[in-house]
Amino acid sequence: DVVMTQSPLSLPVTLGQPASISCRSSQSLVHGDGNTYLNWFQQRPGQSPRHLIYKVSNRDSGVPDRFSGSGSGTDFTLKIIRVEAEDVGVYYCMQGTHWPYTFGQGTKLEIK
Amino acid sequence: EVQLVESGGGLVQPGRSLRLSCAASGITFDDYGVHWVRQSPGKGLEWVSGLIWSTGSVGYADSVKGRFTISKDEAKNSLHLQMSSLRPEDTALYYCVKDMTPGGAEYWGQGTQVTVSS
Repeated sequence: DVVMTQSPLSLPVTLGQPASISCRSSQSLVHGDGNTYLNWFQQRPGQSPRHLIYKVSNRDSGVPDRFSGSGSGTDFTLKIIRVEAEDVGVYYCMQGTHWPYTFGQGTKLEIK
Repeated sequence: EVQLVESGGGLVQPGRSLRLSCAASGITFDDYGVHWVRQSPGKGLEWVSGLIWSTGSVGYADSVKGRFTISKDEAKNSLHLQMSSLRPEDTALYYCVKDMTPGGAEYWGQGTQVTVSS
């Protein structure tokens, strides 16, 4: 199985400041069709995961543009340019290139 | 509005069985994958099983292989997970998840709680 490794696991951020989460995979996430199926999710306390980003850098409808995804191959990043209070929660990367899908351990974002 | 609604969870003794169901509204399970993902209390997300609707291909996590069976009901547009020989470590919130694009896992239900305890 593909191992997804996130860092940091805890991310205290001051309101209005940027935040960055790294996600690395144990093997390339480039699919045979040429796409890279790397997703990012946000899970607020008590809620189901919410899909934020698909295929590395594409934001879902309704996701604020302060969120952005980047990367390639085995190395990916989620950035929030200015953290707001509603961004508190746990962020997960997930690869959908190889079965089984696998998730990172999660990064808990909190406000300092 | 797209909704995935899970049901069938509950408290069950070790070694017993349980059948989870996922009903979809506002969407049809007609393409790509549908999955069960679980989250143990205070823990992360673990993919449990998946099914490619168009082909019927299925997959299982090693932790549940041989004990869990995923299936679909095309007429009712629903997904099921038959869980047998349940263990305390299967205790989790089980989510039904739908791919809208390959590898996407875009839509999630609210989850159904499974607790395995004597």
